[in-house]
Amino acid sequence: EADIYQTPRYLVIGTGKKITLECSQTMGHDKMYWYQQDPGMELHLIHYSYGVNSTEKGDLSSESTVSRIRTEHFPLTLESARPSHTSQYLCASSTPGQGAEAFFGQGTRLTVV
Amino acid sequence: DQQVKQNSPSLSVQEGRISILNCDYTNSMFDYFLWYKKYPAEGPTFLISISSIKDKNEDGRFTVFLNKSAKHLSLHIVPSQPGDSAVYFCAASRGLAGNTPLVFGKGTRLSVIA
Repeated sequence: EADIYQTPRYLVIGTGKKITLECSQTMGHDKMYWYQQDPGMELHLIHYSYGVNSTEKGDLSSESTVSRIRTEHFPLTLESARPSHTSQYLCASSTPGQGAEAFFGQGTRLTVV
Repeated sequence: DQQVKQNSPSLSVQEGRISILNCDYTNSMFDYFLWYKKYPAEGPTFLISISSIKDKNEDGRFTVFLNKSAKHLSLHIVPSQPGDSAVYFCAASRGLAGNTPLVFGKGTRLSVIA
């Protein structure tokens, strides 16, 4: 059973606000990921981390930033939210080694008005 | 350029019949493939996986087939149940080389009709 948690589940916020989406996992996984997904579209990788103090940008250009100060915590921050940031944000983690599947949190549905 | 393609946005199947979901990939470096199931407003949940050293993997009602020469994989669900109605995502990685991030297709929405 996967233990990865995202808060909030839903967020409606005004343009220009700073927001942080939280993601925590209790499985001790080194690898963590943030994906963005719109209806009918693929999950796009926006950030990932292979361990503490390690972060990389994914394939999809994003104005968000991430940090990895603790193994279990991988928050995503938008300094100034815009309507184009409206989407579902999915956090995931995986074990090291060959062929390990990623476990996903329940996601945060962000709406910027 | 999409590296993982699911060309059928939707599929409807009668309860009890077989559901076949297809996926194609273009990157020959991919060696590990997964299927995820997703309900609206939820995160994807892992269903089944297969590595490039196999051509079939079975888990209960779910079977994944891999055709490396055609760069094609498929998920078979038999018998299909109404609770299987969801969006199914195909994903790929260079998993055997050390677990690179998953690359996803656009998903296929399966509707199982009672």
